[in-house]
Amino acid sequence: EPEVTQTPSHQVTQMGQEVILRCVPISNHLYFYWYRQILGQKVEFLVSFYNNEISEKSEIFDDQFSVERPDGSNFTLKIRSTKLEDSAMYFCASREGPGLAGGNTDTQYFGPGTRLTVL
Amino acid sequence: DQQVKQNSPSLSVQEGRISILNCDYTNSMFDYFLWYKKYPAEGPTFLISISSIKDKNEDGRFTVFLNKSAKHLSLHIVPSQPGDSAVYFCAASGATNKLIFGTGTLLAVQP
Repeated sequence: EPEVTQTPSHQVTQMGQEVILRCVPISNHLYFYWYRQILGQKVEFLVSFYNNEISEKSEIFDDQFSVERPDGSNFTLKIRSTKLEDSAMYFCASREGPGLAGGNTDTQYFGPGTRLTVL
Repeated sequence: DQQVKQNSPSLSVQEGRISILNCDYTNSMFDYFLWYKKYPAEGPTFLISISSIKDKNEDGRFTVFLNKSAKHLSLHIVPSQPGDSAVYFCAASGATNKLIFGTGTLLAVQP
């Protein structure tokens, strides 16, 4: 069964450093998302991406964050200058979208996550 | 922002019995609701969903009920199995499709 994959599974970085989290969404999915979960808190929406541009972003997604789909398979989240409070699990998700045969086009499927630890 | 609430942080059920997990929402613009199962250090795994035009959706041992007038949904698992032990999140979305998650309910199924 197709699945969303994410690398690395765990990233440790120093405060102020740049990190890039990588995701490979399910092929033929058109909508891509990043969420995060700070320890002990709920899963929060960060950003949605469609047709090579951001569709929506949350208040959390400030100028330090950016997303990119550099090729036909990868979807990345970059944090330019990490802060201690960026430590969290980051989840990528993808959704099929309308116009494709089969499946539930509104359901988002999640990857296993990247644990980001900022020291 | 408490648009989606799961008021029970935990639930313990005997194997073979029914598990009922509850979720309330406040935003009447939500039109799609999902339940995800999550183990520690893993991503949410999709279980079952329901559109706002329905009041029930069933998939094997899992049934989701939606009461729009009460802004309430529930997930029924019957019969419960020890492998069902995990954190269950409800989530809701509207026109923009971003998911708003509840805080989760830890289900423990006792053998």
